[in-house]
Amino acid sequence: ELKVEQNPLFLSMQEGKNYTIYCNYSTTSDRLYWYRQDPGKSLESLFVLLSNGAVKQEGRLMASLDTKARLSTLHITAAVHDLSATYFCASEEQFYFGTGTSLTVIP
Amino acid sequence: GAGVSQSPRYKVAKRGQDVALRCDPISGHVSLFWYQQALGQGPEFLTYFQNEAQLDKSGLPSDRFFAERPEGSVSTLKIQRTQQEDSAVYLCASSARVTGVNQPQHFGDGTRLSIL
Repeated sequence: ELKVEQNPLFLSMQEGKNYTIYCNYSTTSDRLYWYRQDPGKSLESLFVLLSNGAVKQEGRLMASLDTKARLSTLHITAAVHDLSATYFCASEEQFYFGTGTSLTVIP
Repeated sequence: GAGVSQSPRYKVAKRGQDVALRCDPISGHVSLFWYQQALGQGPEFLTYFQNEAQLDKSGLPSDRFFAERPEGSVSTLKIQRTQQEDSAVYLCASSARVTGVNQPQHFGDGTRLSIL
């Protein structure tokens, strides 16, 4: 079974709108990592969430972790075109990655 | 450079040939991962090293796949008797390890392997 599930898999949103990407995990480790991948490029680290209730913010992106629900969210505020990319969450010390959320921000 | 370096960037091989993919991690990074990424998918774990010790190879899809890191720095992923289903991007990542926790990884640009 999938150890890390993300939804949605594809997300098309207008500039200026808000949206949330969800990451459910079934692994035992409660550390959760978020990465960004641009087309044809490799992965770039965004956030590391180390404990229940952890919240990290960078620009228009905010990530949070609920270890009881085994759920992490990546919230996008007032999207801009530069945020278009694929976003991955990873758990169990990065042994397991989700299938990714492909985000397209439309002007 | 200061990042993770992988070579070659592209590799085309005929089915049945052996290939070797190289990864130069960031100097001093203890942890090294290999992943396989198919088009439109997330990275799939292959194997994990701490220094020269291969602590987990549960993701290697068959005994045709072999990885080593003999001196705890450069790593090589070897695939013997390649098959078409081996076609993918192979990613290497390294990270420091602090108080028993792997820090966020630095990924190389990957080797795109195509088996004809």
